[in-house]
Amino acid sequence: RKEVEQDPGPFNVPEGATVAFNCTYSNSASQSFFWYRQDCRKEPKLLMSVYSSGNEDGRFTAQLNRASQYISLLIRDSKLSDSATYLCVVNAGNFNKFYFGSGTKLNVKP
Amino acid sequence: ETGVTQTPRHLVMGMTNKKSLKCEQHLGHNAMYWYKQSAKKPLELMFVYNFKEQTENNSVPSRFSPECPNSSHLFLHLHTLQPEDSALYLCASSQPGGLAGSSTDTQYFGPGTRLTVL
Repeated sequence: RKEVEQDPGPFNVPEGATVAFNCTYSNSASQSFFWYRQDCRKEPKLLMSVYSSGNEDGRFTAQLNRASQYISLLIRDSKLSDSATYLCVVNAGNFNKFYFGSGTKLNVKP
Repeated sequence: ETGVTQTPRHLVMGMTNKKSLKCEQHLGHNAMYWYKQSAKKPLELMFVYNFKEQTENNSVPSRFSPECPNSSHLFLHLHTLQPEDSALYLCASSQPGGLAGSSTDTQYFGPGTRLTVL
């Protein structure tokens, strides 16, 4: 079983739509959780860290459910510029070991 | 952003060449990583260095040889590569030992070196 699993998509949504991605992780000892954004042929960039019960940053909301071992990312009022691959990343309690999901591709259409 | 820099940004090499990739981080971190990302594939962890000591080698072929002379610099020495080694090579850093769930355990990436092996 993979450490981190994501729906690869693609999610094709119109501008202004609300879209949600889920990610599950297998190690119950995981301590830290992140969403990264990766544009085509570029490096991953931190979008949000996810702590305790979740957090919000503008149009982006991340939620953590430790009991069910999943995290989610909600994007409201989607923009064309949100088109990218969104990577779920989990630190399994060993501060040097980050596990990456395979990414969920989002296409926002005009 | 200049927190993590990588050179060169693009590299084309033949299978008999020897080249090196360089990574430098200016974030005061003590952990550094090499990842490989092939076209349309997920990130693959290659090596981890913690306080200059290698703590992870993810079954990487010996034609890839890492070097970490200090906590700020990381190299990846390449020799006798194969065409299937063509990929984006990403360096990252983080601060180990940070408080779990705090911003200190976040990983930051360099822009990558796009490698083509002919």
